[in-house]
Amino acid sequence: KNQVEQSPQSLIILEGKNCTLQCNYTVSPFSNLRWYKQDTGRGPVSLTIMTFSENTKSNGRYTATLDADTKQSSLHITASQLSDSASYICVVIFNDYKLSFGAGTTVTVRA
Amino acid sequence: EAGVAQSPRYKIIEKRQSVAFWCNPISGHATLYWYQQILGQGPKLLIQFQNNGVVDDSQLPKDRFSAERLKGVDSTLKIQPAKLEDSAVYLCASSYRDRSFQETQYFGPGTRLLVL
Repeated sequence: KNQVEQSPQSLIILEGKNCTLQCNYTVSPFSNLRWYKQDTGRGPVSLTIMTFSENTKSNGRYTATLDADTKQSSLHITASQLSDSASYICVVIFNDYKLSFGAGTTVTVRA
Repeated sequence: EAGVAQSPRYKIIEKRQSVAFWCNPISGHATLYWYQQILGQGPKLLIQFQNNGVVDDSQLPKDRFSAERLKGVDSTLKIQPAKLEDSAVYLCASSYRDRSFQETQYFGPGTRLLVL
């Protein structure tokens, strides 16, 4: 079964601190992996897209890593801001066009 | 560039009633998706269209859910009759394939459905 599991389910961090979210997947054949940010009441917005050959990709204070051998990805948020409070969803694309979504990690940034 | 538009934004109905959602994708996007997102979970694909043809509807509860994409542009998703467990956010997304053959999805704001 093609699955995407994320951890932790939720976390609370202080403004200015860093955090790392994890994503493990069993999806195959792998096409690419994406991290999305979903603000409350809104649709997900793409943060990063990584193909099999890419190990890391950054988008501002967001840095995603991918280890295709162990089927693990992480999303690192640096110097968190209040606006980073959201749900972060890991999505793996397989069979070229099919998507498998993780349940998301809810991040709460407190002042 | 205008984003994916959805309406209504919110809907409250009683069980066994019918409801319809509308989606207008980004102009030029050939692929359109409907997702169901239950609170605390990631989106679950209901149906995927390529132009006006169905690519994947394997997770669509066809006894009560139906969707169409006439003329390969706008799409409607209907639930008839609704059940309590249909309470969720229904997300529409559209995508295009770029020069590196990657599909980039853009999501609409979603329609929040509450079935009482």
